[in-house]
Amino acid sequence: NAGVTQTPKFQVLKTGQSMTLQCAQDMNHNSMYWYRQDPGMGLRLIYYSASEGTTDKGEVPNGYNVSRLNKREFSLRLESAAPSQTSVYFCASSAGQLYNSPLHFGNGTRLTVT
Amino acid sequence: KQEVTQIPAALSVPEGENLVLNCSFTDSAIYNLQWFRQDPGKGLTSLLLIQSSQREQTSGRLNASLDKSSGRSTLYIAASQPGDSATYLCAVSGSARQLTFGSGTQLTVLP
Repeated sequence: NAGVTQTPKFQVLKTGQSMTLQCAQDMNHNSMYWYRQDPGMGLRLIYYSASEGTTDKGEVPNGYNVSRLNKREFSLRLESAAPSQTSVYFCASSAGQLYNSPLHFGNGTRLTVT
Repeated sequence: KQEVTQIPAALSVPEGENLVLNCSFTDSAIYNLQWFRQDPGKGLTSLLLIQSSQREQTSGRLNASLDKSSGRSTLYIAASQPGDSATYLCAVSGSARQLTFGSGTQLTVLP
């Protein structure tokens, strides 16, 4: 049972480059989320998707876009990377309505922007 | 805006000790509270979820309590083991329909 799978695990980008972080879950969950984790800042929500076909901004959406491709997949795109986007990115999913059931997290993508 | 605080930031205990981790939140209008553990270099693992109508939840050696009126939750770990060493985070879901995380307590259980 894979749970939540994120790719890649590590990435180094130069300022201005673009990339897409991939996330897939095999638990038939309705809700999916993208978080970033920074020292001293804790976990902050970037975007979320309450159901297939819907996406909404979280606390720190600037510089990011998302796509809920289908029920399983939720991708995060950085169009023009900036050093401030250096972080660890986590994808998560939950079964029911937003936050009404436990969140399941992937193992993260460690992104460095130089 | 909801704020979640976890004190202490770090805790070291000898193996076998019972311990309590604390979590406080500023807005008592919550839907639920979750406790997670995070191992180094890994994602978060959900331990317990307490709905706002509940007072506590138990799973094995873990017991989480919730006092909405005082804005507090505790995670009790019985008979701690070295494998319990991790960072423990609490998170609160409230009226803003977001999950607000604390900064965590880094627990070290010494053999």
